[in-house]
Amino acid sequence: NAGVTQTPKFQVLKTGQSMTLQCAQDMNHEYMSWYRQDPGMGLRLIHYSVGAGITDQGEVPNGYNVSRSTTEDFPLRLLSAAPSQTSVYFCASSYSPGHHYYGYTFGSGTRLTVV
Amino acid sequence: AQSVTQLDSQVPVFEEAPVELRCNYSSSVSVYLFWYVQYPNQGLQLLLKYLSGSTLVESINGFEAEFNKSQTSFHLRKPSVHISDTAEYFCAVSHSNAGGTSYGKLTFGQGTILTVHP
Repeated sequence: NAGVTQTPKFQVLKTGQSMTLQCAQDMNHEYMSWYRQDPGMGLRLIHYSVGAGITDQGEVPNGYNVSRSTTEDFPLRLLSAAPSQTSVYFCASSYSPGHHYYGYTFGSGTRLTVV
Repeated sequence: AQSVTQLDSQVPVFEEAPVELRCNYSSSVSVYLFWYVQYPNQGLQLLLKYLSGSTLVESINGFEAEFNKSQTSFHLRKPSVHISDTAEYFCAVSHSNAGGTSYGKLTFGQGTILTVHP
């Protein structure tokens, strides 16, 4: 099993550009989520999904869109990149929203710089 | 709303010394508590968790944490650290029941960078 795969690992965008961060998992996990990590602020939840076709907003959703057409994939779209979106983005998944026995499985992250 | 406070942003220690990383949470309902570890340029990995039962939980690499409901704390300890323990550690909390839309979602603390010096 590959676990949670995020692509790309690094990306530089110009202000106003759009892009999609990819996240795929091969563990048949129902629950998938996107976090951003900023120094001194821990990880903050952007969006999450409890299954295909079901998404909801987290703590910091502005400027980001998500969709979940399959169990495996949960892409994160930046509509119009801003310097404030410079961050490290992590995708995480688990069997179900409240299933914590094995913890969340995290991807290795995407480091995004917006200039 | 649940919140997590890690009281130290950085903790430098010498190898083989004991260490404590402090975590306090605020929640009005029952909670699950976690410590995750992030090694440089990697994603987060589950270190240990409290779901129910014994309030003292242990990891396979010598860390332990104690759930203290009266003090709303979940401090992480290790009696003797190694160079390889150098990493950032995150405390996290999740509601333990289905009440409310935050069910299952993890809220993370700000992180504590543990640096072990030779």
